[in-house]
Amino acid sequence: GDSVTQMEGPVTLSEEAFLTINCTYTATGYPSLFWYVQYPGEGLQLLLKATKADDKGSNKGFEATYRKETTSFHLEKGSVQVSDSAVYFCALSMDSNYQLIWGAGTKLIIKP
Amino acid sequence: DSGVTQTPKHLITATGQRVTLRCSPRSGDLSVYWYQQSLDQGLQFLIQYYNGEERAKGNILERFSAQQFPDLHSELNLSSLELGDSALYFCASSVGDISNQPQHFGDGTRLSIL
Repeated sequence: GDSVTQMEGPVTLSEEAFLTINCTYTATGYPSLFWYVQYPGEGLQLLLKATKADDKGSNKGFEATYRKETTSFHLEKGSVQVSDSAVYFCALSMDSNYQLIWGAGTKLIIKP
Repeated sequence: DSGVTQTPKHLITATGQRVTLRCSPRSGDLSVYWYQQSLDQGLQFLIQYYNGEERAKGNILERFSAQQFPDLHSELNLSSLELGDSALYFCASSVGDISNQPQHFGDGTRLSIL
């Protein structure tokens, strides 16, 4: 079935470092792809999305490009801040399905 | 603020009991989703309602049930509670029932079973 695989965390970086969180997916068709973020003690928030191949989603300095050839949607940010410390979830959706398929989440810790 | 309201924020109860979690979706949203988040299972989709009707079912136990009322708020009922039901329960809402629309999450209800 459809699935999402994220790199295991926690990922620990220093402030201003470059961030990559890997996400790959398995799907029988052409899914829409999402990154959600969960800050401590809060619910999840949509960070960015891409609905077709080669689309780039971006928000708050984060970017992810929908790569059909590698079935990936890696999250990147050029210079992270302490405030980016959170859990990041990759997810996909298929038109044929009403629910999101979620990755396990990757905890990001940014040290000053 | 996502516009999704969940009550209560915290709930402490004992095994064998029954609880009801409540969710008010964002204004204008017709879909409501329920999720369970625990340390060992991660984020698990439970069930979705759209405009009062059940749309999709995930890993929801038979001891759990949900409904969406005419005013679009939703309730998740958990009965015969077990220690393993301790988790964060999230509600999310979206405008329609198509899964590629963004979901807006509440802050969750933390359920602790003693």
